[in-house]
Amino acid sequence: AQSVTQLGSHVSVSEGALVLLRCNYSSSVPPYLFWYVQYPNQGLQLLLKYTSAATLVKGINGFEAEFKKSETSFHLTKPSAHMSDAAEYFCAVRDTGFQKLVFGTGTRLLVSP
Amino acid sequence: GAVVSQHPSRVICKSGTSVKIECRSLDFQATTMFWYRQFPKQSLMLMATSNEGSKATYEQGVEKDKFLINHASLTLSTLTVTSAHPEDSSFYICSAVPTDSNQPQHFGDGTRLSIL
Repeated sequence: AQSVTQLGSHVSVSEGALVLLRCNYSSSVPPYLFWYVQYPNQGLQLLLKYTSAATLVKGINGFEAEFKKSETSFHLTKPSAHMSDAAEYFCAVRDTGFQKLVFGTGTRLLVSP
Repeated sequence: GAVVSQHPSRVICKSGTSVKIECRSLDFQATTMFWYRQFPKQSLMLMATSNEGSKATYEQGVEKDKFLINHASLTLSTLTVTSAHPEDSSFYICSAVPTDSNQPQHFGDGTRLSIL
């Protein structure tokens, strides 16, 4: 079965610092991978997705992620954190041909001034 | 962009009542919608897959008779929590998949259900 592992339930950075949120996936076939962001008491907003095209995927709000098959990773990065980036981030995997998403446990990003 | 509307955003009701939550895709058709439950500071747990015109597919451990799902049209799915009890209190989120299956799921803003 597909699964994703997010290392670190909390990540703290200073405003302006690099953001790195880790995600490793388990899949026997090339996966579709997603990063979603959730603000308090809201649903999920898609940041970016990987669907077997370019391995470096650019998303909204300055985020990007790189698909590395050799490391089974899809880490999310942003060069410079902003206070408004503070939120919960979820990595998710979807089987090709199926609609279900399997979510990681989430990483809460804290941004300090 | 694709918009999913979820209503109500918050509901507080007494134990024993039934609560209906609506999930609408506003600008696209969705053959498939999903219902998730999220406990505080936890990830999303898939409850069921709702398919237009057919019975929902429930995940293991989810009570079908407790959580009734109806997907009567390509733009509307409803989740009814029947005879709700305090342990049903949670954040419920729906998502909809555009008919083009290569598109990602689009999420509603969630419903905070509080049972007194």
